[in-house]
This record gives sequence, structure tokens and C-alpha cells, in this order.
Amino acid sequence: DAKTTQPTSMDCAEGRAANLPCNHSTISGNEYVYWYRQIHSQGPQYIIHGLKNNETNEMASLIITEDRKSSTLILPHATLRDTAVYYCIVRNDYKLSFGAGTTVTVRA
Amino acid sequence: EAGVAQSPRYKIIEKRQSVAFWCNPISGHATLYWYQQILGQGPKLLIQFQNNGVVDDSQLPKDRFSAERLKGVDSTLKIQPAKLEDSAVYLCASSFAGLFGEQYFGPGTRLTVT
Repeated sequence: DAKTTQPTSMDCAEGRAANLPCNHSTISGNEYVYWYRQIHSQGPQYIIHGLKNNETNEMASLIITEDRKSSTLILPHATLRDTAVYYCIVRNDYKLSFGAGTTVTVRA
Repeated sequence: EAGVAQSPRYKIIEKRQSVAFWCNPISGHATLYWYQQILGQGPKLLIQFQNNGVVDDSQLPKDRFSAERLKGVDSTLKIQPAKLEDSAVYLCASSFAGLFGEQYFGPGTRLTVT
């Protein structure tokens, strides 16, 4: 699987949009971009995934660049409950290969 | 629907002892995974089952770890004997559609080996 690069940590203000970047410059054509998050003391939780097009669901939006070498997860209105580690994963089979992720802290 | 259940939630043992973890996946989910998450790292896949057959156990330390999924539902992961470096959270996940299916995780079992 292609490797991803994410910032170690980031802060965001409650009520504002949180934009989480992810670089995956070696992604190949059949690999999907997945995002999971892990709230403290819980198991990871699926957020969203995409291949080429931008995607939106009730939790977040995923913006994938045209060359697919990077993507951004957008939490439109961050709340304190969104404080978690966010994992960007490039996937082409059943495996989820987690990196260290981005620790996002939402501040009041 | 009920989520993935795991027990126990916490376990403390001494090195060289044995320990077992139990997982009950979401009803109807044919695929079951066990992950190990060491503090400060992302989860690492140990083993994957499709029904009661092993699909991938390439990262499972087979000299001390074993796992089974009898009848294609519940699963147990065993460590015997435990080492200090086995201290971690053991996560179970399940999915309905095997290949790209969304994985649903349980709360995990936190193991401390002293």
C-alpha cells in the first residue's frame, strides 16, 4: 500500500471547520483513500473514503486533488467531541495499514 | 444494531503467564480482524478471518500468539507465554463486505504485562 504523510498534531476552534491534510504521492490508480478516527480509549471509527471524486457524508467531506497525490478531510463544524487521532489510509485490498495519524484537539 | 463486543476490557498479567481475549463481531459480519495497538502507534493487523478460515496471519507472532474463530462467529486471541512487549490494546474489528468493507471496531482490551 502507498504510504501517507500527515501532520503530527493540529488544533482547531470549536464551531470552525477543521481541515486535515494528507499526502499520498505514491498512490496508484486502484487505491482508495480512507479516513478513520480514534477517540481516546475507543476503537477506530470509519469516517469516509473516496477514489477520485470528492465525497461528503454526515460526518465529513473528503477532497482529493486531481492528481490524487493528496487529500483533505474537512470537519465542517468541529465540536469538542471531534477531538481524536485521525488516520489517513491508502487502501487497495482488505487491509487497513494505520500510521501514527494526526492528533486533532478541538478547543472551546 | 449492537457493536463489536470484546472482553475483558482490561487485563494485567505477569510475564510468562498466558492470557485470552474474546470478541463477538456484529451479527452477519463474515470477516473478523484482530489488531494490536502499542501506545502512541496506529493499530497493526495481526490476523484476519473470513468465516472460520484464516485469510492473513502474516503479522501474527505464531510462537506465542494463536487465534481461532470456531463456527465463524466469536473469536479468541491467546498469548502464551506473554512478554513485556506484548503490553498493548488488542482491538477486534468486523466487516460485512470482505475486500473494501468498512471495518467496525470494538472498544479493545488493554493488556499490561509486568
